Amino acid sequence: NAGVTQTPKFQVLKTGQSMTLQCAQDMNHEYMSWYRQDPGMGLRLIHYSVGAGITDQGEVPNGYNVSRSTTEDFPLRLLSAAPSQTSVYFCASSLERNTEAFFGQGTRLTVV
Amino acid sequence: AQSVTQLGSHVSVSEGALVLLRCNYSSSVPPYLFWYVQYPNQGLQLLLKYTTGATLVKGINGFEAEFKKSETSFHLTKPSAHMSDAAEYFCAVSFRNNDMRFGAGTRLTVKP
Repeated sequence: NAGVTQTPKFQVLKTGQSMTLQCAQDMNHEYMSWYRQDPGMGLRLIHYSVGAGITDQGEVPNGYNVSRSTTEDFPLRLLSAAPSQTSVYFCASSLERNTEAFFGQGTRLTVV
Repeated sequence: AQSVTQLGSHVSVSEGALVLLRCNYSSSVPPYLFWYVQYPNQGLQLLLKYTTGATLVKGINGFEAEFKKSETSFHLTKPSAHMSDAAEYFCAVSFRNNDMRFGAGTRLTVKP
């Protein structure tokens, strides 16, 4: 059982470039979310989705877009990368909004 | 608004010693409480959770935590530390129909 799969694991971008971080889960979870992890700040919620076709902003949404066309997939788009977006990004899924979250392995993004 | 505070960004113990990682939350209603562990270059995985019922919760790898409503705390303990316990630990809180919020994390070092 794969769980939550994130790609790529590592990425270096130049300022202004765009990219999409992929996230897929095979547990038929309705709730999916994206977090960024920065030293000393824990995990901060970027965007979340309570089901296909429904997304909403989290704590730090600026500079990021998401969509949820299927239950399985929840990609995160950086429209114009900035050095402040250098971080480790985690995708997570759970049965419901406030239940146990299952995390992917993370994507380490560096913006130069 | 709900928040989580983890006291001590770094905790160091000797192998075989007691592990105590502190977590306090702010809330006017009982939350759901979680402890996650993150090993180097990996995603987070659930150690244990409290939703309702017994306030002493046992998790994986010999860890346990006690929900104390009067102290708004959910401290994580393990009687005897093992080298393999070295990791970063995150406390998280959520409420019905609300997103999960994470503490800043505590890095546990275990000395031989």
